[in-house]
Amino acid sequence: GQNIDQPTEMTATEGAIVQINCTYQTSGFNGLFWYQQHAGEAPTFLSYNVLDGLEEKGRFSSFLSRSKGYSYLLLKELQMKDSASYLCAVSLNQAGTALIFGKGTTLSVSS
Amino acid sequence: EAGVAQSPRYKIIEKRQSVAFWCNPISGHATLYWYQQILGQGPKLLIQFQNNGVVDDSQLPKDRFSAERLKGVDSTLKIQPAKLEDSAVYLCASSLVADRGYNEQFFGPGTRLTVL
Repeated sequence: GQNIDQPTEMTATEGAIVQINCTYQTSGFNGLFWYQQHAGEAPTFLSYNVLDGLEEKGRFSSFLSRSKGYSYLLLKELQMKDSASYLCAVSLNQAGTALIFGKGTTLSVSS
Repeated sequence: EAGVAQSPRYKIIEKRQSVAFWCNPISGHATLYWYQQILGQGPKLLIQFQNNGVVDDSQLPKDRFSAERLKGVDSTLKIQPAKLEDSAVYLCASSLVADRGYNEQFFGPGTRLTVL
């Protein structure tokens, strides 16, 4: 079976840095995605990692270690608008590229 | 560029009734996905189309769910008859191509289904 684990909830304050971890055990691996989903809205793409290492994009960075089955999303200079659910998803190396999602981490940012 | 369109946005039905959802993907996107997202969970793939052919429907409850993508563009997802546990948000997503590399999916706003 496929298993993707991430914390259910996290809280942080404006201006702080937060790291959301994701571990995965899947039958294949063809990349790891992070999506942001505000309440009642569709998921929107944040980042993609297929090789080990850190990918930086503005205030958001994502890290991958394939040997450990581990990724994290790092959010810097938190803003109130960053309050959302963050979904970790794995693309399997099978025909078709549909994503296997974790349950999501709800981040609450307070002032 | 217009995004993925879905309708209706909300639907309330009673169990054993039928319901249909419609999706119009981003123009030129060959791959279309239907996901089911139950409250507090991540999206779960129901079916994936490449043009008008089915690539993966292994998690589609085929006794009650059906989907089609006529002419490789719009798609409809139908539930007949609905059960209480079908209450969820149904998300449609599309992507340019289905290959084994980077494949960003663009999601529509979803249809929130409540089965009473």
